[in-house]
Amino acid sequence: GENVEQHPSTLSVQEGDSAVIKCTYSDSASNYFPWYKQELGKRPQLIIDIRSNVGEKKDQRIAVTLNKTAKHFSLHITETQPEDSAVYFCAASRRSGYSTLTFGKGTMLLVSP
Amino acid sequence: SQTIHQWPATLVQPVGSPLSLECTVEGTSNPNLYWYRQAAGRGLQLLFYSVGIGQISSEVPQNLSASRPQDRQFILSSKKLLLSDSGFYLCAWSVGQLYYGYTFGSGTRLTVV
Repeated sequence: GENVEQHPSTLSVQEGDSAVIKCTYSDSASNYFPWYKQELGKRPQLIIDIRSNVGEKKDQRIAVTLNKTAKHFSLHITETQPEDSAVYFCAASRRSGYSTLTFGKGTMLLVSP
Repeated sequence: SQTIHQWPATLVQPVGSPLSLECTVEGTSNPNLYWYRQAAGRGLQLLFYSVGIGQISSEVPQNLSASRPQDRQFILSSKKLLLSDSGFYLCAWSVGQLYYGYTFGSGTRLTVV
């Protein structure tokens, strides 16, 4: 089955800096890669996703890039703000009827004012 | 609109006691339902998922079981809890494909003492 590795496990940045979280996956047939954000004590929520026919996708201050050859994808957050502090999870799946999401172990992002 | 209800929010149970966590979804029909566990505040581990009434797929052999007695109801159970069952249990739902558009419940924090 799919295996998703996520790095780093913890990331501390100053407000205004950029943050990058990286994930690798093992199943070359995976073609759907969402990112979820979980604030302390709350439920994970989808913030952005990318499909394998797209190399990059942006939504305001967040962007996701995908390198299918290397089997890795990354989340980029620019101009970080304290409210960006949370645990971020990457995930991967095949876009097929019976494939569930496989999540990475998460990255705790701390943005200091 | 669709909503997901999960209860209780917090639970403290002694080792060896039974467990029943319930999740219900409103505003949609024939959802895919999932149980995830998050141990020590990190990592989302898929425990069970269901594509229909009475259909349960288990991802990890363990001390837990799941049932889906009604279309929008998903129950996580254990006959005898272990210390290692402590964690944050999240129910989620999606419609259509199993990999896409997860909406998570607010979670149950279970502490086994």
